[in-house]
Amino acid sequence: DVKVTQSSRYLVKRTGEKVFLECVQDMDHENMFWYRQDPGLGLRLIYFSYDVKMKEKGDIPEGYSVSREKKERFSLILESASTNQTSMYLCASSGRPDSGGGYTFGSGTRLTVV
Amino acid sequence: GENVEQHPSTLSVQEGDSAVIKCTYSDSASNYFPWYKQELGKRPQLIIDIRSNVGEKKDQRIAVTLNKTAKHFSLHITETQPEDSAVYFCAAMEYGNKLVFGAGTILRVKS
Repeated sequence: DVKVTQSSRYLVKRTGEKVFLECVQDMDHENMFWYRQDPGLGLRLIYFSYDVKMKEKGDIPEGYSVSREKKERFSLILESASTNQTSMYLCASSGRPDSGGGYTFGSGTRLTVV
Repeated sequence: GENVEQHPSTLSVQEGDSAVIKCTYSDSASNYFPWYKQELGKRPQLIIDIRSNVGEKKDQRIAVTLNKTAKHFSLHITETQPEDSAVYFCAAMEYGNKLVFGAGTILRVKS
């Protein structure tokens, strides 16, 4: 059973702080993703990665960056947190498309920026 | 890029009735369509999926249908139970193994 673990369930940060959200998966998946979830907007892709040290912008990358130094770990970074980044952040991983394609999600980090 | 629209945004049904949630997609090249269920305070979990070479797939009380020509797919839940109450998301996979999600449907099953 694939496990995707996000380091924090709840975070409260101040405007302007640099925020790190960590995600670790234990099934040797190539692909990892960061989404944010907001009511009425569904899940929107921030960044994704197909391999170590590789990253691609998703639909809403502004104000975010990512790091993937090891295959199992994908970090989301808020360079200077703002109140409009208050949201639920979900990490996901998936294997090769020919092995299924479905995502496994982490439990989410609810970030509040004050 | 891909765009997925999902309707309705909220759906209330009586226990034992059927529930149908519909999604449309824009990219005819999309070939994988999963459905996720998210219970309150929990992570989204895959409940059923369908690929573009299949028109219908069933798993007990849940079924998904796909109409490639019209570019829409639907989730059907029969004999609904209170534990079916959750937010349901449809998604379509565009190039590069990226899923584009619908806005979600809040399903309430009244007992």
